[in-house]
Amino acid sequence: AQSVAQPEDQVNVAEGNPLTVKCTYSVSGNPYLFWYVQYPNRGLQFLLKYITGDNLVKGSYGFEAEFNKSQTSFHLKKPSALVSDSALYFCAVRALYSSASKIIFGSGTRLSIRP
Amino acid sequence: DTAVSQTPKYLVTQMGNDKSIKCEQNLGHDTMYWYKQDSKKFLKIMFSYNNKELIINETVPNRFSPKSPDKAHLNLHINSLELGDSAVYFCASSQGGANVLTFGAGSRLTVL
Repeated sequence: AQSVAQPEDQVNVAEGNPLTVKCTYSVSGNPYLFWYVQYPNRGLQFLLKYITGDNLVKGSYGFEAEFNKSQTSFHLKKPSALVSDSALYFCAVRALYSSASKIIFGSGTRLSIRP
Repeated sequence: DTAVSQTPKYLVTQMGNDKSIKCEQNLGHDTMYWYKQDSKKFLKIMFSYNNKELIINETVPNRFSPKSPDKAHLNLHINSLELGDSAVYFCASSQGGANVLTFGAGSRLTVL
């Protein structure tokens, strides 16, 4: 079955420290992978995507993600966390659906950055 | 100018009622979606339309009926509302299927 998993419900990091939010996936064919962020009472906002090419993808707000094919992972990272990074983060993958395709989302990871 | 706008933002209603949520996008995208986010924040696709044609219809009760009058609009009508329908419903759009999604701000439906 095609799926995406975020093993951590919550990640707590001190401001200024590096952060990692984990994601693993299972899809047929080549994966299209995405990260989105959701602030309270808002819709999801696109951060970055991997389709092909360099395994390290850079995105908005200083975030980056590393695609690892052998581990089927796409972890989100940032070298130095800000309090304003506190939000809910979703990993997503393109999955095949009959003759179309769809984006399916992981369960979300709440990132909390303490001052 | 809001790229993907949904109305209403909040909707409180009684069980058994019928309600609609409207969505409009001004991005010129050809594909629109409805997602449901439950109280645990799980986000699940319900429907997808490409150029007004239904292309994805997940296992959703037939009380839910999407309608796309043109490729800039995708409305969601829900009949005979149940307590379990309480959730935040997000409209989204993309250019091409399963590409980067632009989300609306969400419509919080509460069924009493």
